[in-house]
Amino acid sequence: SQTIHQWPATLVQPVGSPLSLECTVEGTSNPNLYWYRQAAGRGLQLLFYSVGIGQISSEVPQNLSASRPQDRQFILSSKKLLLSDSGFYLCAWMTERRGYTFGSGTRLTVV
Amino acid sequence: TQLLEQSPQFLSIQEGENLTVYCNSSSVFSSLQWYRQEPGEGPVLLVTVVTGGEVKKLKRLTFQFGDARKDSSLHITAAQPGDTGLYLCAGSRGSGTYKYIFGTGTRLKVLA
Repeated sequence: SQTIHQWPATLVQPVGSPLSLECTVEGTSNPNLYWYRQAAGRGLQLLFYSVGIGQISSEVPQNLSASRPQDRQFILSSKKLLLSDSGFYLCAWMTERRGYTFGSGTRLTVV
Repeated sequence: TQLLEQSPQFLSIQEGENLTVYCNSSSVFSSLQWYRQEPGEGPVLLVTVVTGGEVKKLKRLTFQFGDARKDSSLHITAAQPGDTGLYLCAGSRGSGTYKYIFGTGTRLKVLA
C-alpha cells in the first residue's frame, strides 16, 4: 500500500536558523509530490510541486526552497527562517483517481 | 488571489441538524474535490466530482458540482459529532500535474 511519511511532527526554530523538512513516499514510483502550507484553520497554499527527480516548480516567491534528490523523497528547506514562515506544512502525493494523500504534517513555529 | 471561496467560514450546529457548505469561484474547473481535516492531521479526500451537475452521495453527505463547473456544495444530513472538522474544497484546471487550488475552508462543529 502507498504511504507517505513526514517529519518532524513539530518544530520550534529561532529566526535566522536553517530549516529542512523531509517527506518520503512508499509503495509508488514516480509520484507527483507537493508541499503545502496551511495558516491556522484555513485553506492550503501550494508552495512547490515536483513531477520527477530534480524537477521543482515554485508557486509563490518566498523564503523557502524545495529539492527532490530521489524519486520518492521531497525536501523543503530554508537558509534563514523568518517569523512569517511559521505554519503547518503538509507534504502530499497525488493521483488523478485518488486525489491527494497527505502526510501528517509539521507544525513549525519560528520564534 | 484566492480563487475558491467557501461559506460559511464557521458553523456550529446541534447533532441531528442539516447543513450545507458552499464552494464558489468565478473560474471553471475540470474537477473538484472535497476533503475533511481533523486538527493536527492532513486532509482526507471525501469525493471527486468531474461532470457539471454531478451529484455524489457518501452516506449522509451529498456533494454537487455546479452545471457550469464553477461551484460546488456539500450537504450533510442529520449531522453527528463525528462530522466535526475542517472541510476544504479543491479545484483543478486540468493542467496535467494534478495541481489543485484549495478553498478557504469551513470549520464545522457538531454539538452532542
